[in-house]
Amino acid sequence: RKEVEQDPGPFNVPEGATVAFNCTYSNSASQSFFWYRQDCRKEPKLLMSVYSSGNEDGRFTAQLNRASQYISLLIRDSKLSDSATYLCVVTAGGTSYGKLTFGQGTILTVHP
Amino acid sequence: EAEVAQSPRYKITEKSQAVAFWCDPISGHATLYWYRQILGQGPELLVQFQDESVVDDSQLPKDRFSAERLKGVDSTLKIQPAELGDSAMYLCASSFTRGQQYFGPGTRLTVT
Repeated sequence: RKEVEQDPGPFNVPEGATVAFNCTYSNSASQSFFWYRQDCRKEPKLLMSVYSSGNEDGRFTAQLNRASQYISLLIRDSKLSDSATYLCVVTAGGTSYGKLTFGQGTILTVHP
Repeated sequence: EAEVAQSPRYKITEKSQAVAFWCDPISGHATLYWYRQILGQGPELLVQFQDESVVDDSQLPKDRFSAERLKGVDSTLKIQPAELGDSAMYLCASSFTRGQQYFGPGTRLTVT
């Protein structure tokens, strides 16, 4: 079983749609959680951190459920520029601090 | 804005040849990471440095891969001999200790 698993996708949605991505992680000792965005043939870039209380950044909302080991990302009012691969990322603590463990990514295409 | 530099951006090599990648982290970042991203997958950590010391190389195929960061600044990742399965994007990232990781543009390796 992979440490971080994401929806297989791809997601194809029209502009203005709301889309949600889900992710599960297997290591209960995971301490930090993130969503990264990766454009085609580019490097990953941090989109947002994810907190147990849930957090929002404009049209993006992230949620963490530690009990279920589940992370989600909601994008409202999708824009063409949101088209990218979204990577769910977790880090462990202790000697593994700093090591990012990535999911395989979910491809989002927003069309006119 | 300071950036992580990597070179070359693209490399084509024949199997059994040696290949090397270079990374210059953001100034002042003590922690440096090398990741490998195979097409369709998320990045996977190969090696993590804290200054000039290796902190984690558990996923580095040590029979053919080597990494060094002699002066605790820039770093080189080498593959010898290259195999077809090594074709991937090699990403370098850096951070202050326990801080956000910033990724370079990557080196896309094709082994023929």
